[in-house]
Amino acid sequence: QKEVEQNSGPLSVPEGAIASLNCTYSDRGSQSFFWYRQYSGKSPELIMFIYSNGDKEDGRFTAQLNKASQYVSLLIRDSQPSDSATYLCAVRNRYSGGYQKVTFGIGTKLQVIP
Amino acid sequence: DTAVSQTPKYLVTQMGNDKSIKCEQNLGHDTMYWYKQDSKKFLKIMFSYNNKELIINETVPNRFSPKSPDKAHLNLHINSLELGDSAVYFCASSATLKDGFINYGYTFGSGTRLTVV
Repeated sequence: QKEVEQNSGPLSVPEGAIASLNCTYSDRGSQSFFWYRQYSGKSPELIMFIYSNGDKEDGRFTAQLNKASQYVSLLIRDSQPSDSATYLCAVRNRYSGGYQKVTFGIGTKLQVIP
Repeated sequence: DTAVSQTPKYLVTQMGNDKSIKCEQNLGHDTMYWYKQDSKKFLKIMFSYNNKELIINETVPNRFSPKSPDKAHLNLHINSLELGDSAVYFCASSATLKDGFINYGYTFGSGTRLTVV
Protein backbone atom coordinates (compact mmCIF):
# COMPACT_ATOMS: atom_id res chain seq x y z
CA GLN A 1 0.00 0.00 0.00
CA LYS A 2 1.37 3.39 -0.98
CA GLU A 3 1.85 5.89 1.84
CA VAL A 4 -0.11 8.58 0.03
CA GLU A 5 -2.56 7.68 -2.72
CA GLN A 6 -4.11 9.92 -5.32
CA ASN A 7 -5.85 9.26 -8.61
CA SER A 8 -3.48 10.55 -11.28
CA GLY A 9 -6.39 11.72 -13.47
CA PRO A 10 -6.81 13.69 -15.54
CA LEU A 11 -9.84 15.16 -13.82
CA SER A 12 -11.73 17.36 -16.26
CA VAL A 13 -14.23 19.93 -15.01
CA PRO A 14 -15.99 22.76 -16.84
CA GLU A 15 -15.10 26.34 -16.00
CA GLY A 16 -17.09 27.59 -13.02
CA ALA A 17 -17.66 24.11 -11.56
CA ILE A 18 -16.33 22.69 -8.29
CA ALA A 19 -13.26 20.48 -8.66
CA SER A 20 -12.88 17.82 -5.97
CA LEU A 21 -9.45 16.27 -5.47
CA ASN A 22 -8.99 13.35 -3.12
CA CYS A 23 -6.15 11.76 -1.22
CA THR A 24 -5.85 8.85 1.21
CA TYR A 25 -2.92 8.02 3.47
CA SER A 26 -1.81 4.88 5.25
CA ASP A 27 -0.18 6.10 8.48
CA ARG A 28 -2.76 6.77 11.21
CA GLY A 29 -0.15 8.80 13.08
CA SER A 30 0.13 11.35 10.28
CA GLN A 31 0.08 14.81 11.75
CA SER A 32 -0.42 17.36 9.04
CA PHE A 33 -1.45 17.52 5.45
CA PHE A 34 -0.55 19.79 2.58
CA TRP A 35 -1.78 20.54 -0.90
CA TYR A 36 0.68 21.76 -3.51
CA ARG A 37 -0.04 22.92 -7.03
CA GLN A 38 2.46 22.22 -9.79
CA TYR A 39 2.15 23.76 -13.22
CA SER A 40 3.82 21.89 -16.06
CA GLY A 41 7.57 22.51 -16.04
CA LYS A 42 7.44 24.45 -12.77
CA SER A 43 8.12 23.69 -9.13
CA PRO A 44 5.39 22.79 -6.62
CA GLU A 45 3.90 25.67 -4.66
CA LEU A 46 2.03 25.34 -1.38
CA ILE A 47 -1.63 26.29 -1.55
CA MET A 48 -3.03 24.94 1.72
CA PHE A 49 -2.22 22.98 4.85
CA ILE A 50 -4.53 21.44 7.43
CA TYR A 51 -3.92 19.86 10.82
CA SER A 52 -7.33 19.32 12.40
CA ASN A 53 -10.38 17.35 11.36
CA GLY A 54 -12.93 19.36 9.46
CA ASP A 55 -12.78 22.04 6.81
CA LYS A 56 -10.35 24.86 6.24
CA GLU A 57 -11.22 27.54 3.71
CA ASP A 58 -8.94 29.98 1.89
CA GLY A 59 -10.58 31.92 -0.90
CA ARG A 60 -11.83 29.49 -3.55
CA PHE A 61 -9.98 26.59 -1.91
CA THR A 62 -11.30 24.34 0.88
CA ALA A 63 -9.26 21.55 2.42
CA GLN A 64 -11.14 18.80 4.23
CA LEU A 65 -9.61 16.33 6.65
CA ASN A 66 -11.10 13.16 8.12
CA LYS A 67 -8.49 11.40 10.23
CA ALA A 68 -10.78 8.49 11.11
CA SER A 69 -11.12 7.67 7.41
CA GLN A 70 -7.52 8.71 6.65
CA TYR A 71 -8.80 10.96 3.93
CA VAL A 72 -7.99 14.49 2.88
CA SER A 73 -9.52 16.41 0.01
CA LEU A 74 -9.22 19.74 -1.77
CA LEU A 75 -12.23 21.53 -3.24
CA ILE A 76 -11.74 24.30 -5.76
CA ARG A 77 -14.85 26.42 -6.25
CA ASP A 78 -15.55 28.39 -9.41
CA SER A 79 -12.76 26.55 -11.25
CA GLN A 80 -10.81 28.63 -13.74
CA PRO A 81 -8.66 27.52 -16.69
CA SER A 82 -5.69 28.92 -14.73
CA ASP A 83 -6.35 26.22 -12.10
CA SER A 84 -5.31 23.57 -14.63
CA ALA A 85 -2.27 21.96 -13.04
CA THR A 86 -1.22 18.88 -11.09
CA TYR A 87 -2.26 18.92 -7.44
CA LEU A 88 0.02 17.08 -5.04
CA CYS A 89 -1.16 15.81 -1.68
CA ALA A 90 1.59 15.63 0.94
CA VAL A 91 1.51 14.07 4.39
CA ARG A 92 3.79 14.68 7.36
CA ASN A 93 4.74 11.56 9.32
CA ARG A 94 7.09 10.63 12.12
CA TYR A 95 10.51 9.59 10.87
CA SER A 96 13.19 8.99 13.50
CA GLY A 97 15.12 10.91 16.12
CA GLY A 98 12.11 13.12 16.73
CA TYR A 99 12.21 14.33 13.14
CA GLN A 100 9.48 13.99 10.58
CA LYS A 101 9.22 13.36 6.88
CA VAL A 102 6.84 14.64 4.24
CA THR A 103 5.69 12.12 1.64
CA PHE A 104 4.01 13.19 -1.59
CA GLY A 105 1.33 11.47 -3.60
CA ILE A 106 1.64 11.01 -7.36
CA GLY A 107 -0.55 14.06 -7.94
CA THR A 108 -3.88 14.53 -9.71
CA LYS A 109 -3.85 16.36 -13.01
CA LEU A 110 -6.75 18.83 -13.18
CA GLN A 111 -8.02 20.21 -16.48
CA VAL A 112 -10.51 23.05 -16.39
CA ILE A 113 -12.34 23.28 -19.70
CA PRO A 114 -13.37 26.82 -20.80
CA ASP B 1 13.98 38.50 -3.24
CA THR B 2 13.43 35.79 -0.62
CA ALA B 3 13.67 32.45 -2.30
CA VAL B 4 15.23 29.05 -2.77
CA SER B 5 17.76 29.31 -5.59
CA GLN B 6 19.04 26.30 -7.47
CA THR B 7 21.78 26.12 -10.07
CA PRO B 8 22.06 25.06 -12.79
CA LYS B 9 18.53 24.98 -14.20
CA TYR B 10 19.48 22.50 -16.92
CA LEU B 11 22.28 19.96 -16.97
CA VAL B 12 23.02 17.67 -19.93
CA THR B 13 25.93 15.30 -19.45
CA GLN B 14 27.30 11.98 -20.57
CA MET B 15 27.10 8.72 -18.66
CA GLY B 16 29.97 8.24 -16.27
CA ASN B 17 30.51 11.94 -15.60
CA ASP B 18 30.40 13.60 -12.17
CA LYS B 19 28.21 16.66 -11.63
CA SER B 20 27.03 18.94 -8.83
CA ILE B 21 23.86 20.91 -8.18
CA LYS B 22 23.82 23.83 -5.75
CA CYS B 23 21.02 25.22 -3.61
CA GLU B 24 20.76 28.28 -1.42
CA GLN B 25 17.88 29.72 0.59
CA ASN B 26 17.50 33.10 2.26
CA LEU B 27 14.24 32.37 4.05
CA GLY B 28 15.87 31.76 7.43
CA HIS B 29 14.79 28.11 7.36
CA ASP B 30 16.90 25.56 9.18
CA THR B 31 15.90 22.48 7.20
CA MET B 32 16.69 21.74 3.56
CA TYR B 33 15.84 18.85 1.27
CA TRP B 34 16.61 17.19 -2.02
CA TYR B 35 13.71 15.63 -3.89
CA LYS B 36 13.79 13.73 -7.18
CA GLN B 37 10.87 13.94 -9.61
CA ASP B 38 10.99 11.21 -12.23
CA SER B 39 9.36 11.00 -15.65
CA LYS B 40 6.09 9.84 -14.04
CA LYS B 41 6.15 13.07 -12.01
CA PHE B 42 6.48 11.22 -8.69
CA LEU B 43 8.25 13.44 -6.14
CA LYS B 44 10.44 11.37 -3.84
CA ILE B 45 12.60 12.55 -0.96
CA MET B 46 16.31 11.79 -1.15
CA PHE B 47 17.95 13.70 1.70
CA SER B 48 17.16 16.19 4.41
CA TYR B 49 19.48 18.34 6.51
CA ASN B 50 18.62 20.22 9.69
CA ASN B 51 21.20 22.83 10.71
CA LYS B 52 23.89 21.03 8.70
CA GLU B 53 23.02 17.65 10.21
CA LEU B 54 21.84 14.85 7.90
CA ILE B 55 18.49 13.68 9.26
CA ILE B 56 16.88 11.86 6.35
CA ASN B 57 18.79 9.59 4.00
CA GLU B 58 16.42 7.51 1.92
CA THR B 59 17.40 4.55 -0.23
CA VAL B 60 19.63 6.43 -2.61
CA PRO B 61 22.72 5.00 -4.37
CA ASN B 62 25.90 6.14 -2.64
CA ARG B 63 26.91 7.80 -5.90
CA PHE B 64 24.76 10.65 -4.57
CA SER B 65 26.44 12.67 -1.85
CA PRO B 66 24.80 15.70 -0.27
CA LYS B 67 26.73 18.39 1.59
CA SER B 68 25.47 21.23 3.73
CA PRO B 69 28.21 23.73 4.62
CA ASP B 70 25.71 25.84 6.58
CA LYS B 71 21.96 25.90 7.12
CA ALA B 72 21.39 28.14 4.12
CA HIS B 73 23.17 25.93 1.59
CA LEU B 74 22.70 22.36 0.41
CA ASN B 75 24.58 20.85 -2.50
CA LEU B 76 24.24 17.52 -4.27
CA HIS B 77 27.15 15.79 -5.94
CA ILE B 78 26.53 12.84 -8.23
CA ASN B 79 29.33 10.50 -9.29
CA SER B 80 29.37 8.17 -12.29
CA LEU B 81 26.09 9.38 -13.72
CA GLU B 82 23.73 6.77 -15.18
CA LEU B 83 20.87 7.05 -17.64
CA GLY B 84 18.40 6.35 -14.82
CA ASP B 85 19.55 9.46 -12.98
CA SER B 86 17.79 11.60 -15.58
CA ALA B 87 15.07 13.49 -13.70
CA VAL B 88 14.22 16.87 -12.24
CA TYR B 89 15.92 17.46 -8.89
CA PHE B 90 14.22 19.91 -6.55
CA CYS B 91 15.75 21.57 -3.56
CA ALA B 92 13.35 22.75 -0.86
CA SER B 93 13.52 24.37 2.53
CA SER B 94 11.24 24.66 5.54
CA ALA B 95 11.12 25.40 9.21
CA THR B 96 12.11 22.55 11.52
CA LEU B 97 10.21 19.36 10.78
CA LYS B 98 10.27 17.95 14.27
CA ASP B 99 7.88 16.85 17.03
CA GLY B 100 6.40 19.83 18.76
CA PHE B 101 7.17 22.24 15.93
CA ILE B 102 4.53 23.58 13.59
CA ASN B 103 5.58 23.37 9.98
CA TYR B 104 3.93 25.44 7.31
CA GLY B 105 5.18 23.47 4.35
CA TYR B 106 8.04 23.72 1.94
CA THR B 107 9.35 26.36 -0.40
CA PHE B 108 10.78 24.71 -3.49
CA GLY B 109 13.54 25.85 -5.78
CA SER B 110 12.87 26.02 -9.50
CA GLY B 111 14.42 22.60 -10.13
CA THR B 112 17.38 21.23 -12.06
CA ARG B 113 16.50 19.16 -15.11
CA LEU B 114 19.28 16.57 -15.41
CA THR B 115 19.58 14.65 -18.67
CA VAL B 116 22.14 11.88 -18.91
CA VAL B 117 22.96 10.78 -22.45
